[in-house]
Amino acid sequence: GENVEQHPSTLSVQEGDSAVIKCTYSDSASNYFPWYKQELGKRPQLIIDIRSNVGEKKDQRIAVTLNKTAKHFSLHITETQPEDSAVYFCAGMYSGGGADGLTFGKGTHLIIQP
Amino acid sequence: DGGITQSPKYLFRKEGQNVTLSCEQNLNHDAMYWYRQDPGQGLRLIYYSQIVNDFQKGDIAEGYSVSREKKESFPLTVTSAQKNPTAFYLCASSKQTDQETQYFGPGTRLLVL
Repeated sequence: GENVEQHPSTLSVQEGDSAVIKCTYSDSASNYFPWYKQELGKRPQLIIDIRSNVGEKKDQRIAVTLNKTAKHFSLHITETQPEDSAVYFCAGMYSGGGADGLTFGKGTHLIIQP
Repeated sequence: DGGITQSPKYLFRKEGQNVTLSCEQNLNHDAMYWYRQDPGQGLRLIYYSQIVNDFQKGDIAEGYSVSREKKESFPLTVTSAQKNPTAFYLCASSKQTDQETQYFGPGTRLLVL
């Protein structure tokens, strides 16, 4: 099955700086990679996703890049703000004919220092 | 994701007791999922269902059971065979097409007395 590794487990950055979280996956057939943000005690919220037919996607301060050859994808947050503090999860999924479950990384606790 | 509800918010289980967690969605989604979240472990898939009256085991199905009698409902039963049930349980749903986004419910926190 799919295995998703996520690094770092904790990331502390100064407000206004950029943050980068990286994930690798094992199954070359995986073709959908979402990123979720989870605040303490709350549900994960989708912030951005990328499909295997594109290499990069951007939404305001958030961008995701995908390298299919190396089997890794990254989340980039620019101009970080205090409300970006949360745990971020990457995930991968192969959906070739039906909806299967996501395989999640273990999460990155992002801390924005004022 | 406001169309997915879970109840109760907190649930306490006694030794040897089966408990059932509720998940309902009004998004007309075909697919539904149950995940378990432990500290530092991320989310792990317990069961998923692509369509009514059909469901599949995920990575950690032992000690759990599900049913899918209605499209909008996917209850999860934590049986007495699950020896370490304390966790945050999240239900999700998605449309029944490839690569569709999964939307999560607010979760149920299960604690053992």
